Amino acid sequence: DVKVTQSSRYLVKRTGEKVFLECVQDMDHENMFWYRQDPGLGLRLIYFSYDVKMKEKGDIPEGYSVSREKKERFSLILESASTNQTSMYLCAILERAGNTIYFGEGSWLTVV
Amino acid sequence: KNEVEQSPQNLTAQEGEFITINCSYSVGISALHWLQQHPGGGIVSLFMLSSGKKKHGRLIATINIQEKHSSLHITASHPRDSAVYICAAPPNTGNQFYFGTGTSLTVIP
Repeated sequence: DVKVTQSSRYLVKRTGEKVFLECVQDMDHENMFWYRQDPGLGLRLIYFSYDVKMKEKGDIPEGYSVSREKKERFSLILESASTNQTSMYLCAILERAGNTIYFGEGSWLTVV
Repeated sequence: KNEVEQSPQNLTAQEGEFITINCSYSVGISALHWLQQHPGGGIVSLFMLSSGKKKHGRLIATINIQEKHSSLHITASHPRDSAVYICAAPPNTGNQFYFGTGTSLTVIP
């Protein structure tokens, strides 16, 4: 089974802090995604990457950046956290062969 | 405009009831996924189906590709079925999935 690991399950950060959320996969999949999930809004795509050092903006990239220096690791960065970024963040990978998506456990971020 | 529409958004049922969650999509797809998310948990895949019907225990998923519609049924619902159910459509081209906004199901004992 594919394993997607998110480094932090629960974080509390102050407004203006820089926040790093890390995601690591244990397979050799190219496509990795960062989503945020909010009640009533569902999953919204922030950024995705289809290869090392490659990134594409999703639907809501403002206030976020990403880094993919190694194939197995995809990081989401909040340069200056704001309270409206309080949310659940989910990393996912796409297994193209089976057209299957696998999610990490999620990171609950609270910005105070 | 959402490429994937789900209904209802919220659903409360008594234990033992038969439950149906619906998903309609407007994009061209070759398969559709039903996902489950328990409170505070990650998301897991229940089904991937491209035609007809699939059954896993008390869960049944159906899809009509021509009508662009899928349903998830839960028979003899149980409180442990309480979760958010999400339908997801991988597009025929590109890398992005389209997601419904989810159906929050609560099954009361």
